[in-house]
Amino acid sequence: EAGVAQSPRYKIIEKRQSVAFWCNPISGHATLYWYQQILGQGPKLLIQFQNNGVVDDSQLPKDRFSAERLKGVDSTLKIQPAKLEDSAVYLCASSFGLGLAGGPTDTQYFGPGTRLTVL
Amino acid sequence: EDQVTQSPEALRLQEGESSSLNCSYTVSGLRGLFWYRQDPGKGPEFLFTLYSAGEEKEKERLKATLTKKESFLHITAPKPEDSATYLCAVQTDTGFQKLVFGTGTRLLVSP
Repeated sequence: EAGVAQSPRYKIIEKRQSVAFWCNPISGHATLYWYQQILGQGPKLLIQFQNNGVVDDSQLPKDRFSAERLKGVDSTLKIQPAKLEDSAVYLCASSFGLGLAGGPTDTQYFGPGTRLTVL
Repeated sequence: EDQVTQSPEALRLQEGESSSLNCSYTVSGLRGLFWYRQDPGKGPEFLFTLYSAGEEKEKERLKATLTKKESFLHITAPKPEDSATYLCAVQTDTGFQKLVFGTGTRLLVSP
């Protein structure tokens, strides 16, 4: 079974530039997550999609970050404009279930991540 | 606020020297506790899910246990290939399956 795919794997940009990351989840997985992992820290959830709808974006800096999941499959995360503190690894994960509050616990499977460096 | 604390931050073992990693948590209601392994330059790899106090799960040289306040990942007779960062995460009954991660324990096993 193919895992979660992400691209690009690495990206270096100047501050105030824009950048976009792409994620293709495991086939058949309804829920997709974007996490930010700063060096030396654990991943932090940015946004969660159930099919193509957003269920949790409470920690997404909406003034500069945006994300979409068209047709309930692939997803794109965008940063515009980037700041120095956005330097991190951006991880995409997916799970089979609907990710409902109070629903059955579901295992999240992670992609390899995109390492972003903002200069 | 839900919190996860892992200790130690780093651990160096000799091959064959058994030890334990700790994950303590403070949450409003625990639905599941997850252990992941992360190798440099890669995404977290799922190891275990524990649901209730007293539960134990094993995989090769790894054994995870859960109490009401903490979880332990026991590593028996580790090998150099067990070197990685081990991440603990909790899923609570108030979020939409969100995982709250600790900062991880970096394990280095020397031959």
